[in-house]
Amino acid sequence: AQSVTQLDSQVPVFEEAPVELRCNYSSSVSVYLFWYVQYPNQGLQLLLKYLSGSTLVKGINGFEAEFNKSQTSFHLRKPSVHISDTAEYFCAVIPGGATNKLIFGTGTLLAVQP
Amino acid sequence: KAGVTQTPRYLIKTRGQQVTLSCSPISGHRSVSWYQQTPGQGLQFLFEYFSETQRNKGNFPGRFSGRQFSNSRSEMNVSTLELGDSALYLCASSSRTIGNTEAFFGQGTRLTVV
Repeated sequence: AQSVTQLDSQVPVFEEAPVELRCNYSSSVSVYLFWYVQYPNQGLQLLLKYLSGSTLVKGINGFEAEFNKSQTSFHLRKPSVHISDTAEYFCAVIPGGATNKLIFGTGTLLAVQP
Repeated sequence: KAGVTQTPRYLIKTRGQQVTLSCSPISGHRSVSWYQQTPGQGLQFLFEYFSETQRNKGNFPGRFSGRQFSNSRSEMNVSTLELGDSALYLCASSSRTIGNTEAFFGQGTRLTVV
């Protein structure tokens, strides 16, 4: 069965510093990959997605991620974070096939400090 | 264009009662999925509907059920509520059927069972 691993439950970082949130997935088939962000008491908002093509994907709010098939990773990066980036970040996959079922990682709380 | 609407936003129920949650997808979206979010288990897939048919079901007891109407609106029902059913229930809609697109999430219904 497919699974998603986010090794870091919390990542503290100072404002304007770079950050990387790690995500690894396990799948023997082609997958679609996503990063979602959740602010307190809100639903999930898509940051970026990898469907096919270029392995470097750019998203909203200055975030980007790189798909690495050999390492089955999809790490999220931002060169300079802001206080407003403080939120929970979820990596997710959809296995290929006729489904929209998202399999989520456990989430990483990005805590940006002034 | 209006987003995904979930009603109600907050709900308090007593153990043993049943509850019905509603989700109106984005206009034109025929795929609706439901997720349960808890601090202990994270985001877990409940069901997926497309054109009134359940395509996938997660690993939840039979007390959890859902349906989709001809206008793509969806409801989920939980019978004989247990304390452990307290969670944020999220609905997502998609325009396609095979996962290669973004899922749009509602703000969720916060269910508290006392």
